Amino acid sequence: AQSVSQHNHHVILSEAASLELGCNYSYGGTVNLFWYVQYPGQHLQLLLKYFSGDPLVKGIKGFEAEFIKSKFSFNLRKPSVQWSDTAEYFCAVLFSGGYQKVTFGIGTKLQVIP
Amino acid sequence: NAGVTQTPKFQVLKTGQSMTLQCAQDMNHNSMYWYRQDPGMGLRLIYYSASEGTTDKGEVPNGYNVSRLNKREFSLRLESAAPSQTSVYFCASSERDRSEAFFGQGTRLTVV
Repeated sequence: AQSVSQHNHHVILSEAASLELGCNYSYGGTVNLFWYVQYPGQHLQLLLKYFSGDPLVKGIKGFEAEFIKSKFSFNLRKPSVQWSDTAEYFCAVLFSGGYQKVTFGIGTKLQVIP
Repeated sequence: NAGVTQTPKFQVLKTGQSMTLQCAQDMNHNSMYWYRQDPGMGLRLIYYSASEGTTDKGEVPNGYNVSRLNKREFSLRLESAAPSQTSVYFCASSERDRSEAFFGQGTRLTVV
């Protein structure tokens, strides 16, 4: 079955530290990839997306992600986190095929300590 | 620019009661979705509607029904609420299947 894995469930970083959140999916076909962020008490917002083209995608607030097809991965990165990045981050994958529905990972809670 | 609007924001139900969660979007999107969010389980799709007049089951449809009333509105109904349905419910919409989703603010539902 198609699935999305986020391996880091809870990450704690100090301000200015670098961030990398892992996302892997299980599917050999074409995918569209997303990272969403949910700030405390708020709804999900799109950080960035990959449909095709350059596998290094830049999003809002200094975030970027790299699609590595051979590794079925779409890891989220930020060189220097801020306290305001404290949130939950969700990787999401749209698998091609019969069902055009997005599958979400379980999320990674990021806590940035001032 | 309202985007996706959900009502109510909070609700407490007794076991066995029924209720309808309302969702409306003003972006002229074709596809709409209902998700539930539970700790440690991420977002799970309950139902979705690819276009007006069509609905389909997602990953966890049991205990729920939906209605795509028109292009703007997509409601979720709990006929007989159970404590296992305590969750945060998010409605979302997208222009078409293969584009990013825009989410509402969520409904926090507690079933006692």
